[in-house]
Amino acid sequence: RKEVEQDPGPFNVPEGATVAFNCTYSNSASQSFFWYRQDCRKEPKLLMSVYSSGNEDGRFTAQLNRASQYISLLIRDSKLSDSATYLCVVRGSNYQLIWGAGTKLIIKP
Amino acid sequence: SAVISQKPSRDICQRGTSLTIQCQVDSQVTMMFWYRQQPGQSLTLIATANQGSEATYESGFVIDKFPISRPNLTFSTLTVSNMSPEDSSIYLCSSMDTQRNEQFFGPGTRLTVL
Repeated sequence: RKEVEQDPGPFNVPEGATVAFNCTYSNSASQSFFWYRQDCRKEPKLLMSVYSSGNEDGRFTAQLNRASQYISLLIRDSKLSDSATYLCVVRGSNYQLIWGAGTKLIIKP
Repeated sequence: SAVISQKPSRDICQRGTSLTIQCQVDSQVTMMFWYRQQPGQSLTLIATANQGSEATYESGFVIDKFPISRPNLTFSTLTVSNMSPEDSSIYLCSSMDTQRNEQFFGPGTRLTVL
């Protein structure tokens, strides 16, 4: 079993819709969680950290469920510019990040 | 966030040659990392670049193939030695802001080995 698993997609979503993806992790001792966004042929960029209480940044909401060992990302009112690959990232007790393979999102007009 | 630059941005190399990639951060950072990303794949950590000491390599990566230097807190190099077509990939430099617990990336170096 992979340490961090994501549905690779692609998720094809009409503009304006709400889309959500989950990511599961295997190490219950994981301490920090992040969502990164990677555009085609670009480097990953931090989208948001995921806090235990959940957090929201504009149209984006991240949730953490420690009991079931998954994190989620919800995007409301999706824009064409949201098309990208979304990478789930988990950090353990050291500083090493474990990366998911990414979920590809395509927003269609 | 730290601003990270890499040189070269891309290169096409012949089999058997070596390429050194440079990474410059605009501020002093404690931790720097080198990753590889194959087309359509996620990131794979090659090594942690330690300032003033030998890099810490992940399983499957060795110093002879990927020598790393880190002479100070803002600069690191990764060399891809004796290249083969299997080394074709994007190589990404990264630094960590330990106070904010966030990691940032350079723009990457796209390497093609013929």
